[in-house]
Amino acid sequence: AAGVIQSPRHLIKEKRETATLKCYPIPRHDTVYWYQQGPGQDPQFLISFYEKMQSDKGSIPDRFSAQQFSDYHSELNMSSLELGDSALYFCASTSTEWGSEGYTFGSGTRLTVV
Amino acid sequence: ILNVEQSPQSLHVQEGDSTNFTCSFPSSNFYALHWYRWETAKSPEALFVMTLNGDEKKKGRISATLNTKEGYSYLYIKGSQPEDSATYLCAFRAGGTSYGKLTFGQGTILTVHP
Repeated sequence: AAGVIQSPRHLIKEKRETATLKCYPIPRHDTVYWYQQGPGQDPQFLISFYEKMQSDKGSIPDRFSAQQFSDYHSELNMSSLELGDSALYFCASTSTEWGSEGYTFGSGTRLTVV
Repeated sequence: ILNVEQSPQSLHVQEGDSTNFTCSFPSSNFYALHWYRWETAKSPEALFVMTLNGDEKKKGRISATLNTKEGYSYLYIKGSQPEDSATYLCAFRAGGTSYGKLTFGQGTILTVHP
């Protein structure tokens, strides 16, 4: 069965560089969520999209932006990277029609800022 | 800020032991409580989505209960096996216009020793 695909799996960037993380949700899922998990921390909600529109915003820095495209894939753009941005970034998708299903998570992108 | 707490933070048990851990969440504006199992180097896998007070759900040797009035859920594992070793995350979904955003607990790290 198709899963949520995230790319790249690992990324190493220097401070002040830019990074783009991609998420491809499960077909027919209309909602995408981004979470950030720092070392030893719980996953923190960043931003979500429903039907290509931003639906909710969490603790996402102004240096980050995201969007969902017509094919429902989403990209998280991170600029002026800081050491503290080093984390595991998860994308999850779900369908609003299937309220009783859990969310399906991608394998995550591990970003290391040096 | 929603507070979702899990306890204990980590647990070591012997193969064959039964174990349980707790997730506490806000008792107001409840919509759903999710449980995920997260193995190292894999993505979180949905175990249960619980929506009704008094819900009990079961999947093999794993079961969960829900008390929305007092704001807690228990996850039970009967006859733990080494392959049950993982981090167990609970996540709270509030009602209203949260657009399905999940607030995660810190997780309980379970290690089952052969």
